[in-house]
Amino acid sequence: DVRLVQSGAEVREPGESLKISCKGSGYSFTSYWIGWVRQMPGRGPEWMGIIYPGDSDTRYSPSFQGRVTISADKSNDTAYLQWSSLTASDTAMYYCARQGYSTPFYPMDVWGQGTPITVSS
Amino acid sequence: EIVMTQSPATLSVSPGERASLSCRASHNVGNNLAWYQQKPGQPPRLLISSASSGVTGLPARFSGSRSGTEFTLTISSLQSEDSGIYFCQQYNTWPFTFGQGTRLEIK
Repeated sequence: DVRLVQSGAEVREPGESLKISCKGSGYSFTSYWIGWVRQMPGRGPEWMGIIYPGDSDTRYSPSFQGRVTISADKSNDTAYLQWSSLTASDTAMYYCARQGYSTPFYPMDVWGQGTPITVSS
Repeated sequence: EIVMTQSPATLSVSPGERASLSCRASHNVGNNLAWYQQKPGQPPRLLISSASSGVTGLPARFSGSRSGTEFTLTISSLQSEDSGIYFCQQYNTWPFTFGQGTRLEIK
C-alpha cells in the first residue's frame, strides 16, 4: 500500500522557524519525485517545489524560492518542508505528493493527508 | 509561469445530467494536464492524467479531452458522490501550476 504520511498540525508565532515532514512507504522512495503544495483556505492549490530524494535535486516555484527549503533524508524515506521565519501569510494546509518515477513531468498520484499550519501572535 | 484558467467557478447540475468543466492554459502544455477532485477535509485525488487517461478504477462516466490549450473534463451522468471541487494542473513547464478550481454542486 503506497502511502505518504505527514507530520501533525502546527501552531507558531510570526518569526518562528518550522520543519514539517512527509514519510513515504510501500514504494521505492528514492526513485520518485516528491512535491509540496500549499492550499490556503478557500483557494486553489499552489505548487511550491519538488525534490528527487535519490540525489536531492530540488526545484522551486519562483513564488516560494527563498521563502522555504525542501529537503529529503533518503535513509529515512522522508521529505521535509521548512521555514526559517514564518509570517501570518504562511497559514495554510500543506500537502506533499508523489510526482513521477525518475521524471518530475508527471501528475501527483499519491498525496499525504496534509499538515495544517497556523501562524498567529 | 503558465496560468491555468478554469470555468465556470461553480456548476450546479442535476443527477443523471452531464457536466462539462473547462480548463485553459495560457501557453502550450501539450498533453501534460491532470484533473483532480477534492472533497472537504481531504487532499486532492488524481482522476485523469495526460489530458485523457483515467486512473485505475475511475468510473467510465469521467472523461478528459484536449483541443489545443483548452481542456475539458466531462462527467456523462452525474452521481451525488461527484460533488466537490475539481482542479486542473499542468505539469509540462516549471512551475507546475494549478487552476483555481470549479465547484461542482449536485442539485
